[in-house]
Amino acid sequence: EPEVTQTPSHQVTQMGQEVILRCVPISNHLYFYWYRQILGQKVEFLVSFYNNEISEKSEIFDDQFSVERPDGSNFTLKIRSTKLEDSAMYFCASRDFSPADTQYFGPGTRLTVL
Amino acid sequence: AQKVTQAQTEISVVEKEDVTLDCVYETRDTTYYLFWYKQPPSGELVFLIRRNSFDEQNEISGRYSWNFQKSTSSFNFTITASQVVDSAVYFCALSERSNFGNEKLTFGTGTRLTIIP
Repeated sequence: EPEVTQTPSHQVTQMGQEVILRCVPISNHLYFYWYRQILGQKVEFLVSFYNNEISEKSEIFDDQFSVERPDGSNFTLKIRSTKLEDSAMYFCASRDFSPADTQYFGPGTRLTVL
Repeated sequence: AQKVTQAQTEISVVEKEDVTLDCVYETRDTTYYLFWYKQPPSGELVFLIRRNSFDEQNEISGRYSWNFQKSTSSFNFTITASQVVDSAVYFCALSERSNFGNEKLTFGTGTRLTIIP
């Protein structure tokens, strides 16, 4: 069964460093998302991406964040200068064309900023 | 703005008991979708069910059942004869129509379910 994959599973970084979180969405899916979950809290929408551009972003997704689909399979989230409060689990999700389609989530990347 | 409320923060039941997880939502959309996801201790988000706003039929899948009531804006989830493997955090989510039909999800705060052997 096709699945969303994410690497790395855990990333530890120093405050101020840049990190890139990687995702491989399900191959025939067209919409891609990043969500964030601070430990013990709810899952929050960060950004959606379609047709090689950002469709919508939340207020969390400030200038320090960027997304890219560098090739036909990868979808990345970059944080330019990490802060302590960026420590969270980051989930990638993808879905097919129809709005009725389910978003399938990857296993997440746990980001720890020291 | 859309909102999902899961009033039960934590529930503990003894194995084999039935348990119901509550979800109440708010939306102005006439067409929307509701979801339940399971987050086991390993951390991933596992899709359980999707329901659209026009289909109020209850659904049963094995030990799981879902009760969607538009009149009370609720989408409750019942586990029958609970098992230790059901221990997880369960999230209810609502799709939100946004630009370009991207249908971002709004999640509730989750209910941590512990099944005591």
